[in-house]
Amino acid sequence: EAQVTQNPRYLITVTGKKLTVTCSQNMNHEYMSWYRQDPGLGLRQIYYSMNVEVTDKGDVPEGYKVSRKEKRNFPLILESPSPNQTSLYFCASSPQGAAYGYTFGSGTRLTVV
Amino acid sequence: ELKVEQNPLFLSMQEGKNYTIYCNYSTTSDRLYWYRQDPGKSLESLFVLLSNGAVKQEGRLMASLDTKARLSTLHITAAVHDLSATYFCAVDLGLYNNNDMRFGAGTRLTVKP
Repeated sequence: EAQVTQNPRYLITVTGKKLTVTCSQNMNHEYMSWYRQDPGLGLRQIYYSMNVEVTDKGDVPEGYKVSRKEKRNFPLILESPSPNQTSLYFCASSPQGAAYGYTFGSGTRLTVV
Repeated sequence: ELKVEQNPLFLSMQEGKNYTIYCNYSTTSDRLYWYRQDPGKSLESLFVLLSNGAVKQEGRLMASLDTKARLSTLHITAAVHDLSATYFCAVDLGLYNNNDMRFGAGTRLTVKP
């Protein structure tokens, strides 16, 4: 089954403790992206990647890092999480960007206390 | 600054009634997407509108796109409880803007018996 798999689904952590949210797709998509969803703001792009070793900032990149060492994986790293990063995070992939539509992962609800 | 505005943000309807959700955007784009999100779930693609005048229908939902007016509508006909969800529109920003799409804030629809 074609899908985007995120882990974990739920995560509660403390301020400053580094964490990684994993994202993997099995569709051989070149384009992958991370979003955060906050009430009243819709989805906002954090980082995106057009291919292996090619990543760039989205609209809200502060406090986040990403890497794209393999085509299928696109982890989101929070080096020092803060409470304002409490949010619902989605990973998405596409053959080559928005024009082809996105497949979204199931989401990761992160709480930073 | 690019804006994607959905109206209304909250909508409570009686079963059997009709209503329209509006999506206005402030940039030139020929592609617009509608997504559905159930509580605690990921985003599911509903419609992809690829040109001016495009109209797509699926069941009780019909979406249209007017690129000259920078307006898309999602019309609900004879609403049923199963349509209760949050609906997002998203505008394709194109090759020169991260190959990304910009989301509206979402319309939370509740259909009451």
